[in-house]
Amino acid sequence: KAGVTQTPRYLIKTRGQQVTLSCSPISGHRSVSWYQQTPGQGLQFLFEYFSETQRNKGNFPGRFSGRQFSNSRSEMNVSTLELGDSALYLCASSLAGAPRAGNEQFFGPGTRLTVL
Amino acid sequence: AQKITQTQPGMFVQEKEAVTLDCTYDTSDPSYGLFWYKQPSSGEMIFLIYQGSYDQQNATEGRYSLNFQKARKSANLVISASQLGDSAMYFCAMRESRGNQFYFGTGTSLTVIP
Repeated sequence: KAGVTQTPRYLIKTRGQQVTLSCSPISGHRSVSWYQQTPGQGLQFLFEYFSETQRNKGNFPGRFSGRQFSNSRSEMNVSTLELGDSALYLCASSLAGAPRAGNEQFFGPGTRLTVL
Repeated sequence: AQKITQTQPGMFVQEKEAVTLDCTYDTSDPSYGLFWYKQPSSGEMIFLIYQGSYDQQNATEGRYSLNFQKARKSANLVISASQLGDSAMYFCAMRESRGNQFYFGTGTSLTVIP
């Protein structure tokens, strides 16, 4: 079974640009969550999508948005990039439903975004 | 209030010794799951072990065990016989039955000394 894939793995952008990151979950997983990880702030939750609907949202500005497609693949977009957006962006997928063994989140390798 | 608290920013352990990484959590949901993840320097997050709130026994997975003390709301990870490859960041996480969001702690950096 293929794992969570994220593209691209590395990205360099300049301030003011916008960027789109992609995540393909494990087959059968309908929940996709996005996290931003920085050395100073740790792992911060961005949002979670389930069945093409945003179900949970973290405390990030509106420049951060996402969507999910009918095949559960998800994209996140960051507009008007700032230097502070430089981070590792992790995507994770899981089965829906009550927490139980086997319902953990599986993470992709991440996209490392550098904003110059 | 923080959902997940990891009070040890950094830990050192001698190779082949056991080490305990602390995690406390906060929830009013009677049904929840607790997870531990390992993140090596490569950046990938690796799932280690799961404990359900209704599980009567502590979870074990190879050299990993979870010391679950429900009344104290703690879920400490115990790594036995530490290996050099165990050097990494370790994150404790929780998911409540209501909602699907995972709450992560700030992590503990473990260094195994030869």
